[in-house]
Amino acid sequence: GIQVEQSPPDLILQEGANSTLRCNFSDSVNNLQWFHQNPWGQLINLFYIPSGTKQNGRLSATTVATERYSLLYISSSQTTDSGVYFCAAGTSGTYKYIFGTGTRLKVLA
Amino acid sequence: ETGVTQTPRHLVMGMTNKKSLKCEQHLGHNAMYWYKQSAKKPLELMFVYSLEERVENNSVPSRFSPECPNSSHLFLHLHTLQPEDSALYLCASSPRLPETQYFGPGTRLLVL
Repeated sequence: GIQVEQSPPDLILQEGANSTLRCNFSDSVNNLQWFHQNPWGQLINLFYIPSGTKQNGRLSATTVATERYSLLYISSSQTTDSGVYFCAAGTSGTYKYIFGTGTRLKVLA
Repeated sequence: ETGVTQTPRHLVMGMTNKKSLKCEQHLGHNAMYWYKQSAKKPLELMFVYSLEERVENNSVPSRFSPECPNSSHLFLHLHTLQPEDSALYLCASSPRLPETQYFGPGTRLLVL
């Protein structure tokens, strides 16, 4: 089955810094999502982005399906951005999303 | 607040107990999911329902039994669990398969 890898596994930033999180997948995908899990365990969907680029405030994401990767950009990071960021990929013909192991982000004040 | 609620939020049970987890979505979605999140492991999909029909059963042990009586409610019935079943159990819904998923806050389960 499809493999999903995320990098870096851990990231520490000063407030106000920018960062790029990467998600690589081993096969062609039809569906890709980015999520943020806060320290209390709540998962919030950030983007549904099987291809192209989307922006939402300080966050943006780009998926290049032909090269099998997706990037999540966080600009002007805030302490509330801390938590774990997951990407999840799905292939055609299945409803199953495979989650990566996440990038744990800590933003320091 | 994502529009998906889960109860209870925390549960401690012995290996011989029977309990149920409840999930309710107020979003008018047609698909619902159960996931398991264990420490140091990626989220694992357990079950998927679309319009109250199970469409995915991801080789989950029979001690976990899902029930979807209508498109707004999803249950996970638990019996004779093992300590390794201790985890965060997350429910999610989406408008249709396999669109954007909205997660509930989870039930943190401890099996003694």
